[in-house]
Amino acid sequence: TQLLEQSPQFLSIQEGENLTVYCNSSSVFSSLQWYRQEPGEGPVLLVTVVTGGEVKKLKRLTFQFGDARKDSSLHITAAQPGDTGLYLCAGVGFGNEKLTFGTGTRLTIIP
Amino acid sequence: EAQVTQNPRYLITVTGKKLTVTCSQNMNHEYMSWYRQDPGLGLRQIYYSMNVEVTDKGDVPEGYKVSRKEKRNFPLILESPSPNQTSLYFCASSPRSGQGNSPLHFGNGTRLTVT
Repeated sequence: TQLLEQSPQFLSIQEGENLTVYCNSSSVFSSLQWYRQEPGEGPVLLVTVVTGGEVKKLKRLTFQFGDARKDSSLHITAAQPGDTGLYLCAGVGFGNEKLTFGTGTRLTIIP
Repeated sequence: EAQVTQNPRYLITVTGKKLTVTCSQNMNHEYMSWYRQDPGLGLRQIYYSMNVEVTDKGDVPEGYKVSRKEKRNFPLILESPSPNQTSLYFCASSPRSGQGNSPLHFGNGTRLTVT
């Protein structure tokens, strides 16, 4: 079973601060997706990273796929209250293309 | 509006009383899947369907059944619910058979409590 551990599990910071969320595995993935889930809603895809070492930016959010394709990070610059939510990484397996979700990071931005 | 619709949003039931959670998508997606979400465990796949009449077990299929008679609908059936099936359930769909890099579109969830 491919496991994806996210850290931290919970994070509460002040508006304007920077933060990084990590997604780690001992398994190699063909690609990795990041989702954000808000209360009462389902997860919504933010980005997919495909190439080892790839960096993608989405406004204040920067996503990086590890060189070895085993890990990923999400960095948020100048966090806003609207960034509050549950962040989930999901790895796509080689061959079987099975999607495995991480354990999640619950982020709270305090105004 | 393109969406995945689950019903009901909230359900409280008793042990052993059969229930069905419906899921419908209007995007003509081939792939559909059911997940349960529990604190600290993330999303775990229950069953998935690559296309009509094709279903397969996910990681936690015990106690659940599904069917895919039409492309748009993928109901989740609990024949004899038990308290350990209390959870938040999500239906999801994606354009192509097989997941790969195809993003999942999720419904808004069904919170089930079994007493």
